Amino acid sequence: GAGVSQSPSNKVTEKGKDVELRCDPISGHTALYWYRQRLGQGLEFLIYFQGNSAPDKSGLPSDRFSAERTGESVSTLTIQRTQQEDSAVYLCASSLAGGFADTQYFGPGTRLTVL
Amino acid sequence: AQSVAQPEDQVNVAEGNPLTVKCTYSVSGNPYLFWYVQYPNRGLQFLLKYITGDNLVKGSYGFEAEFNKSQTSFHLKKPSALVSDSALYFCAVRDIDSGAGSYQLTFGKGTKLSVIP
Repeated sequence: GAGVSQSPSNKVTEKGKDVELRCDPISGHTALYWYRQRLGQGLEFLIYFQGNSAPDKSGLPSDRFSAERTGESVSTLTIQRTQQEDSAVYLCASSLAGGFADTQYFGPGTRLTVL
Repeated sequence: AQSVAQPEDQVNVAEGNPLTVKCTYSVSGNPYLFWYVQYPNRGLQFLLKYITGDNLVKGSYGFEAEFNKSQTSFHLKKPSALVSDSALYFCAVRDIDSGAGSYQLTFGKGTKLSVIP
């Protein structure tokens, strides 16, 4: 079956503009995660969705960042008034459920460059 | 709080030689441990995980890792390295006793493996 897909693969934007990043999880996976990967760094957790439960937004770095998910399908990460420090690769992952032993499967990422 | 350390930014090994990529972790409870590999301009690919049971875990592409609770380590190993193994390797931990945040993975900064022909 298809893996996690993300679009766009690359996004170049000007400082101050808003951007939307999309994630399509693996079909049947109820849990969805967003991470940020800055150059030369590990992954930084941003937000977690599990089914119809309220999302855990504890990793969002500022109120310029928000994310939505419709049911157990597509998720959109929105960054408003982008800043240069937002430049990073944004990775989405999904897992069958939110269980401790569940493996997270990652998409190819969206590389965001803020000029 | 949980954390992961990958003490080597880069590991170089000759093709055919055994390789080890080191990982140590810190959790307040019991850990679930994961290894992922990232090829250039690609997402992370799952290699293997330790949940419980046998301390030696076997995964994809001939990789294995050994969980050592006393040393809080989970080093990745392969008996004979291939040039195609050259990539960025990430260790990650989940503290299953940390309550609401237990689903989060905490990642190390990654180790670049270069296998020299």
